[in-house]
Amino acid sequence: DAKTTQPTSMDCAEGRAANLPCNHSTISGNEYVYWYRQIHSQGPQYIIHGLKNNETNEMASLIITEDRKSSTLILPHATLRDTAVYYCIVRAGGGNKLTFGTGTQLKVEL
Amino acid sequence: NAGVTQTPKFQVLKTGQSMTLQCAQDMNHEYMSWYRQDPGMGLRLIHYSVGAGITDQGEVPNGYNVSRSTTEDFPLRLLSAAPSQTSVYFCASSSSSGSGFYEQFFGPGTRLTVL
Repeated sequence: DAKTTQPTSMDCAEGRAANLPCNHSTISGNEYVYWYRQIHSQGPQYIIHGLKNNETNEMASLIITEDRKSSTLILPHATLRDTAVYYCIVRAGGGNKLTFGTGTQLKVEL
Repeated sequence: NAGVTQTPKFQVLKTGQSMTLQCAQDMNHEYMSWYRQDPGMGLRLIHYSVGAGITDQGEVPNGYNVSRSTTEDFPLRLLSAAPSQTSVYFCASSSSSGSGFYEQFFGPGTRLTVL
């Protein structure tokens, strides 16, 4: 699986968009980008995934660059409840056997 | 649906003791797995199962045993606990073990301390 690089921590004001970057410069053509988050030591929660195209669901948007070497997770209107560690994971095939790095600690403040 | 449940929530063991961490899911998922998370670290895969009767090792399997006799349950056994096994253990399940996408659902975790 391709290695990912994320900033250790980020801050965001409540109500603003939170943009979380992820670099995956060695990604292969068959590898998906997955995002999970972990709120205060709870079990991780799936957010979104994508292969080439940008994706949007009720939680977030995922923007993948054309060369697929980086991506950005966007939480359009961050709330205090979005404070969590966000993991960017690159994996071929299905979404099992995930490799979690240390992620980005997002802190949403008033 | 209760989703993925884990028991106990907390456990303290002495070095050399054995115990079983329980994991159950009521979503009829084929795939189940165990991860451990050490302080300040990401999750690491211990063992996984693609269906009843089938298990395999993950990244850090030493010191742990698993079995999968039913679709619903996937217990993790610590044979002889060591302080290095102090960690938070998460169980996860998903609906398939094939090549398509499937969301993993995680349990709330078991916090284990080995003295």
